[in-house]
Amino acid sequence: DVKVTQSSRYLVKRTGEKVFLECVQDMDHENMFWYRQDPGLGLRLIYFSYDVKMKEKGDIPEGYSVSREKKERFSLILESASTNQTSMYLCASGWDRNYEQYFGPGTRLTVT
Amino acid sequence: SQQGEEDPQALSIQEGENATMNCSYKTSINNLQWYRQNSGRGLVHLILIRSNEREKHSGRLRVTLDTSKKSSSLLITASRAADTASYFCATALTGGGNKLTFGTGTQLKVEL
Repeated sequence: DVKVTQSSRYLVKRTGEKVFLECVQDMDHENMFWYRQDPGLGLRLIYFSYDVKMKEKGDIPEGYSVSREKKERFSLILESASTNQTSMYLCASGWDRNYEQYFGPGTRLTVT
Repeated sequence: SQQGEEDPQALSIQEGENATMNCSYKTSINNLQWYRQNSGRGLVHLILIRSNEREKHSGRLRVTLDTSKKSSSLLITASRAADTASYFCATALTGGGNKLTFGTGTQLKVEL
């Protein structure tokens, strides 16, 4: 079974803090993705990566950065957390040209 | 902007009834997928239909695709309480690589 794990299920941070969200997959997938999910807006793509050390901006990259130093790990970084980044963050992975994505359980981040 | 829009936003039915959800999209696609999300959890892939397919079945699921109308429908037959979840369509755009664009989802409630 494909397993995608995320470092925390729930996280509470203060405005201005630097926040790291970690995602690890165990299926040797080339592609990894970070989304945020907000009520009424569905899932929106923040960043994605097709290979190690490679990253591309999604639809809403502002205020975020990513790191992919190893194939199995994709990190999302909030450089200076703000209250409008309170959201559910979902990581996903998949094989190249397969299109199906496998999701982690999500991290519910609250920024106060 | 959202590529996929689901309709209805919410649906409540009795156990044993069929549930139909619709998805409309705007631009040319490579394939369309449906995902399920149980409350507060990650998404689970249900079924993928390619742009040159018109209908696909998987267990109690039936998906149709009409590329001329840029729309798809997901039918769940003989629904069960365990089918209670949010359902999302996602489109892989032609020339868009492995990225998916998600709709806003349909919340399905199946009552005993």
